[in-house]
Parts: sequence; structure tokens; C-alpha cells
Amino acid sequence: AQSVTQPDIHITVSEGASLELRCNYSYGATPYLFWYVQSPGQGLQLLLKYFSGDTLVQGIKGFEAEFKRSQSSFNLRKPSVHWSDAAEYFCAPKIGGSQGNLIFGKGTKLSVKP
Amino acid sequence: NAGVTQTPKFRILKIGQSMTLQCTQDMNHNYMYWYRQDPGMGLKLIYYSVGAGITDKGEVPNGYNVSRSTTEDFPLRLELAAPSQTSVYFCASSYQAEAFFGQGTRLTVV
Repeated sequence: AQSVTQPDIHITVSEGASLELRCNYSYGATPYLFWYVQSPGQGLQLLLKYFSGDTLVQGIKGFEAEFKRSQSSFNLRKPSVHWSDAAEYFCAPKIGGSQGNLIFGKGTKLSVKP
Repeated sequence: NAGVTQTPKFRILKIGQSMTLQCTQDMNHNYMYWYRQDPGMGLKLIYYSVGAGITDKGEVPNGYNVSRSTTEDFPLRLELAAPSQTSVYFCASSYQAEAFFGQGTRLTVV
């Protein structure tokens, strides 16, 4: 069955430190891959996406993600975290092609220490 | 530039009541979706639609109904509200692969 795993439920980092949020998916083919961010009480905002080509993709707010086919992973990174990055982050593969359905991970809540 | 608009933002229902969550998009997207979000569970797909007049069940459709009479609107109906339907509901529309989300409706059933 298709699934997506975000193994870290809650991560705390210091402001200015680097960040990596992990995401693994289980699917027969390479899906379209997305990362969304959700601030408290808000909807979901797209951070970045991977469809094909260069496996390192850049997104908004200084985030990037790297697709690794051999590991079925799509980890999100940021070199230097800002206090405003505190939010919940969701990895979401899209199964079934460009108009398939998003499958969401359970999310990783990021807290930022001053 | 409204995007995806959901109403209401908050609602409290009594057990057994019914209500409709409204969703409209102004981007002329064919694909639309309803998700529910429960704490620690990510988003689960309730129903989706690939175009006007066509709807299909997602992962957790029980207790819900949808209709899609126009491209713009995709209302979600709860007929007999139950406490298990307490959740935050998100509507989304999609163009090619990218989905755009509304701000959500927080529903409490008491």
C-alpha cells in the first residue's frame, strides 16, 4: 500500500541552526513530491515540489529538498532556521500522476529556540 | 486573487444536526478535494472531484456527501453529525500537479 512516513513528530532547533526534516514514501513508481507548511490556525502553503529532473529543488523561504530514488526519500533542509519557521511541515507524495491524490504524512512540528 | 475560499471558518454542531461546508475556487481548476485533519494524523482525503458532475470517494468518506454542479463550487455535506466528525476540514483545488488549499473550517460536534 502507498504510504508516507515522517519519522520525527516534533523537532526543536535553535535559531540559526540547520534543519533537516525526513520523509520516506512507499510507492512503486516515483511520485510527484511536495512539502507543505502549516502555521497555527492556518491552511497549507506549498514550500516546494519535485516532478522530475534535478534532484535538489529549491523552494520558498530558503528551503530546499533532495530527492533520493534509492532511498525513496525526499528530505527537507534549511541551512539556518529563523524563529518564523516554527510551524508544522507535511510531506505529501502525489500518487497516480499529476492529477492523482496527495497522501499526507503525519507531519513534523518544528519549534525554534531563541 | 481569492484562490480557494471556505466558509464558515468555525462551527459548533450538536449531535445529529446537519450542515454544509462551502468551498469555492476562482482559478477554474477541474480537480477539487476535501480533507480532514485530526491532531497528529496529517490530512485524510474524504472526497474528490475531477470535474463538474463527477465525484469519487477518498480514504474516509463515511458520514459525508459531496456534489459538484459547477467548476467553482464543491460543498461538503454532513447529514447526521457525530463527535467523530470533530475536525478541521480543508478544501483544495488542483491545476496539473499543484494543489491550493483553503484556510480551513474548524468543526466541533458536541
